[in-house]
Amino acid sequence: SQQGEEDPQALSIQEGENATMNCSYKTSINNLQWYRQNSGRGLVHLILIRSNEREKHSGRLRVTLDTSKKSSSLLITASRAADTASYFCATDGSGYSTLTFGKGTMLLVSP
Amino acid sequence: EAGVVQSPRYKIIEKKQPVAFWCNPISGHNTLYWYLQNLGQGPELLIRYENEEAVDDSQLPKDRFSAERLKGVDSTLKIQPAELGDSAVYLCASSAGGTSTDTQYFGPGTRLTVL
Repeated sequence: SQQGEEDPQALSIQEGENATMNCSYKTSINNLQWYRQNSGRGLVHLILIRSNEREKHSGRLRVTLDTSKKSSSLLITASRAADTASYFCATDGSGYSTLTFGKGTMLLVSP
Repeated sequence: EAGVVQSPRYKIIEKKQPVAFWCNPISGHNTLYWYLQNLGQGPELLIRYENEEAVDDSQLPKDRFSAERLKGVDSTLKIQPAELGDSAVYLCASSAGGTSTDTQYFGPGTRLTVL
């Protein structure tokens, strides 16, 4: 079963614009992670945010976490065509040692 | 450093036939995962190994699926017999440790089509 739910399901933007994706989950977590999947590089880990953190940055990525609302957002600034991919949030939910992935957001960045 | 290697990349079989997938994790990674990914969905865990031991196989359909990780390195996932609904991408991942904070590195996957 999928613990996380990404929103929107699909997003289409122009190069240079910012892209925001949201993730909602159901149970308490220890950490939340974002992954990217494209046909060229497969599924790749982007960033991890712990339950006691509210915001984290990595390059053009900014992740926020609101544990009271059980939600997270991923912001990609100044998007590039190479950012075209599916983005998944993953939570460690009840297991704390395994990840449960959401259904993903498909991002299309047009030149 | 070589990443997670999976083979074959694609497999087409007829229903009721057996099929096997192979995974070679990143050197030194003790934890190995097999995931199933259906079209338009996120990966779903099938089984997790710590060295040779399967520590979480609660989502593995044991009537037709089996897995092994002899010697705690390579792993094989088998389906026998395959059903139409097994068509999906089978992903292998490995991590240095077995906690959720240990980054999982994924292989390219095996795309299975059952006719």
